[in-house]
Amino acid sequence: EAEVAQSPRYKITEKSQAVAFWCDPISGHATLYWYRQILGQGPELLVQFQDESVVDDSQLPKDRFSAERLKGVDSTLKIQPAELGDSAMYLCASSFGTYNEQFFGPGTRLTVL
Amino acid sequence: SQQGEEDPQALSIQEGENATMNCSYKTSINNLQWYRQNSGRGLVHLILIRSNEREKHSGRLRVTLDTSKKSSSLLITASRAADTASYFCATVHSGYALNFGKGTSLLVTP
Repeated sequence: EAEVAQSPRYKITEKSQAVAFWCDPISGHATLYWYRQILGQGPELLVQFQDESVVDDSQLPKDRFSAERLKGVDSTLKIQPAELGDSAMYLCASSFGTYNEQFFGPGTRLTVL
Repeated sequence: SQQGEEDPQALSIQEGENATMNCSYKTSINNLQWYRQNSGRGLVHLILIRSNEREKHSGRLRVTLDTSKKSSSLLITASRAADTASYFCATVHSGYALNFGKGTSLLVTP
């Protein structure tokens, strides 16, 4: 069964360092999402792509976060510099379209020290 | 911003009992979806109900939607220990991504 792949699964970094997360969506899924989930809360959307274009990045802290999906397939989310408050689970999801069910990857657990 | 709000925040039942979780939202929607998340893992899609549907079933799951009250409920019948997880409702509107609530934490004890 096709799955969304994410790496790394865990990342520990010191504040002010740069970190990057990678996501490979299910083949054929045009829509890709990055969410941030703080412990005890639901996921919050950071950025949504339709193919290689950004559809919504209104909640992305653009002074330190960036995301790209250059060929409309896999995607990278970067944080530079990382802050203590960035410690969270970063989830990637993909779907055929924005009205369809989303398939989530296992997530990357980020700890900033 | 989070739109869906689940109730209760936590629920503890015994195996074999039914579990009911509720979700309220604020704006008009295209559809509402329920997801399950086991501790420290990614989310798994359970069921999607469109705004013109009132009830939907999938195995032991039953979802209702009342657009006039802007609310939905998820019923899990004959609960099992493996159903222990967090359950989230999420709404889709205007073609944008899911808006998740804070979730209901379900504990099913043997």
